[in-house]
Amino acid sequence: DIQMTQSPSSLSTSGGDRVTITCRASQSIRKYLNWYQQKPGRAPKLLIHAASSLQSGVPSRFSGSGSGTEFTLTISSLQPEDVASYYCQQTYSIPFTFGQGTRLEIK
Amino acid sequence: EVQLVQSGAEVKKPGESLKISCKASGYIFMNYWIGWVRQMPGKGPEWMGIMYPNDSDTRYSPSFEGHVTISADKSISTAYLQLSRLKASDTAIYYCARGGWHLADTWFDPWGQGTLVTVSS
Repeated sequence: DIQMTQSPSSLSTSGGDRVTITCRASQSIRKYLNWYQQKPGRAPKLLIHAASSLQSGVPSRFSGSGSGTEFTLTISSLQPEDVASYYCQQTYSIPFTFGQGTRLEIK
Repeated sequence: EVQLVQSGAEVKKPGESLKISCKASGYIFMNYWIGWVRQMPGKGPEWMGIMYPNDSDTRYSPSFEGHVTISADKSISTAYLQLSRLKASDTAIYYCARGGWHLADTWFDPWGQGTLVTVSS
C-alpha cells in the first residue's frame, strides 16, 4: 500500500493567516492526489482533485500544488469557516489511501 | 443535483451481519465508480473498496477483503456495503462516495451523509 503522511497533524493559527499543509507519498503518485475538508459531524467534502484542480464551488483561497511524492494544500487567508480537518488521498493505486489528517483551528 | 442518500443508523450485536444502502440520484448510476469509506470514532477515513455498477467490477482494500462485500442494483441506482461477522471494532461511520468514469486518477464527490454502525453486546 502507498503510505500518505500529512504534516502538521494539528495547527492553530490566526484568522487571515496563510496556511500550508503538506502531504507526502511513500512512492510517486504523479498528480493523483485529492484534498478533502471534513467538519465535525459532516461527511468529507472534496476541495482539490488531481493535485491542483479546484473543485467547483470551492472558494479560491484554497489551492493545491505538487507532483510525484510531495504535495501542498494552501489556504491563502484563513477564515472562521475553514476550521476543520483536512485529508489528502492518493488515487494512483488501490487501495486509495488517505493521510492521517490535519486538524486546523483558529486562535 | 447529484446526491447519495444512505440508510439509517444501525445497532448490531457481535457476530451479526449488516447491509448498508446508498441510493444515487441526479446522474447515470451505472457509469460512475462508487466507493465506500470507513471512519472509526475520532479517526481519519479509511478506503474500503470500489465498484463500477455497469459491469460489477469490484476492487477491495486488502485490509477489508473477506470481511465486506460491495454490490449494486442498477435498476434502483443503489449501492450496498455488506459487513459480516461484526465485531465491536466495526463500530464506525460508513460513507459511500461517487468516483469518476475511470478508476485511475479518480476523486470522490459527492459523499453520502454517512451511516453510523454500532456493534455492542
